Amino acid sequence: KNEVEQSPQNLTAQEGEFITINCSYSVGISALHWLQQHPGGGIVSLFMLSSGKKKHGRLIATINIQEKHSSLHITASHPRDSAVYICAVQFYGGNQFYFGTGTSLTVIP
Amino acid sequence: EPEVTQTPSHQVTQMGQEVILRCVPISNHLYFYWYRQILGQKVEFLVSFYNNEISEKSEIFDDQFSVERPDGSNFTLKIRSTKLEDSAMYFCASNGQSTDTQYFGPGTRLTVL
Repeated sequence: KNEVEQSPQNLTAQEGEFITINCSYSVGISALHWLQQHPGGGIVSLFMLSSGKKKHGRLIATINIQEKHSSLHITASHPRDSAVYICAVQFYGGNQFYFGTGTSLTVIP
Repeated sequence: EPEVTQTPSHQVTQMGQEVILRCVPISNHLYFYWYRQILGQKVEFLVSFYNNEISEKSEIFDDQFSVERPDGSNFTLKIRSTKLEDSAMYFCASNGQSTDTQYFGPGTRLTVL
């Protein structure tokens, strides 16, 4: 069964804290995506990964293909980082995304 | 920066009515998708569309649903006879190559009464 699991479901952090959100999946994938969903509902793509590590500003995403696991890190978190962070995967032979349940992050000033 | 647009932002309809949700993908994109998110739940894939035909669809996408690209810019999702459980946020997405990341529209919130 193609499952995408995220943890934690909810996360509250103080401004400046280092944050880690985890994603695991059950079968081999062609790509993994990290997305951000704002309170209004809009979805923005943050990273697309098939191996290794990517960095953009204060965001870092890593993937371990053998362990079927990915992490999203936020360094020096800020209240504007408050959003739902979603892991989504693409499986071989298909282009559609399979989404995790999301991690709701709140960063307190 | 090019973006995917969707109209309307919010649609309220009576059960049994037909609704058409509209999307304008990014202009040079070739692959189009519809997803939905029921309140409090994860985003779910509905259908993908390429070269003027459906390439993949989920179990959710039954005979009540249809998609169309009526002209060179619009991509529509039609629900023929809405049910209460169709109430959700519907997202359109597009990409230029199937292996690219997908760009999402802002969503249409559909409320079925």
